[in-house]
Amino acid sequence: DAMVIQNPRYQVTQFGKPVTLSCSQTLNHNVMYWYQQKSSQAPKLLFHYYDKDFNNEADTPDNFQSRRPNTSFCFLDIRSPGLGDAAMYLCATSRAWAEQFFGPGTRLTVL
Amino acid sequence: DQQVKQNSPSLSVQEGRISILNCDYTNSMFDYFLWYKKYPAEGPTFLISISSIKDKNEDGRFTVFLNKSAKHLSLHIVPSQPGDSAVYFCAASARTGTASKLTFGTGTRLQVTL
Repeated sequence: DAMVIQNPRYQVTQFGKPVTLSCSQTLNHNVMYWYQQKSSQAPKLLFHYYDKDFNNEADTPDNFQSRRPNTSFCFLDIRSPGLGDAAMYLCATSRAWAEQFFGPGTRLTVL
Repeated sequence: DQQVKQNSPSLSVQEGRISILNCDYTNSMFDYFLWYKKYPAEGPTFLISISSIKDKNEDGRFTVFLNKSAKHLSLHIVPSQPGDSAVYFCAASARTGTASKLTFGTGTRLQVTL
């Protein structure tokens, strides 16, 4: 089945220790998105890639970076996680203009 | 400033009855609206969408209504089933550029009781 896969599902890191979250897709969609969702809040778009073109949201902290080495994979790097970065991180994909398909998310805990 | 609002955090409906979930938005540039359903420990799943050129879209038991003048949309589920119990997110998009950037509401938790 075509899908969006996120690894790991649960990630625990220490304050200030860099962490990388992974997303892969078998849908062959050209757009990939990263969202942050904190408890009882709406998912918030951090950035997206249209093919190799990176688009950062204006209010995304510099602490968050992303890489997309090929169509199938996209990574979210948090350079120095703070306690406020604990959240669910959702990856999504779409064809341009179409509805987005989400992965199951990675829950990040910062100790 | 929250551009997409779901003012009811939760809703309880009896099986077989109609569920109505509401959503309001403030940005008049939004031209595409979606509903997502989310079960615990899973990502949101696309349910139904509507373009701003329409006022109604139907897919089986699910119907979305859009009132542009009121900047309001609603999702109707008829008849409601226990498997519909989930969190429902309303999302809106202004399709500029090459991607559909979504702005989400905070969600409404629907519980369908027997």
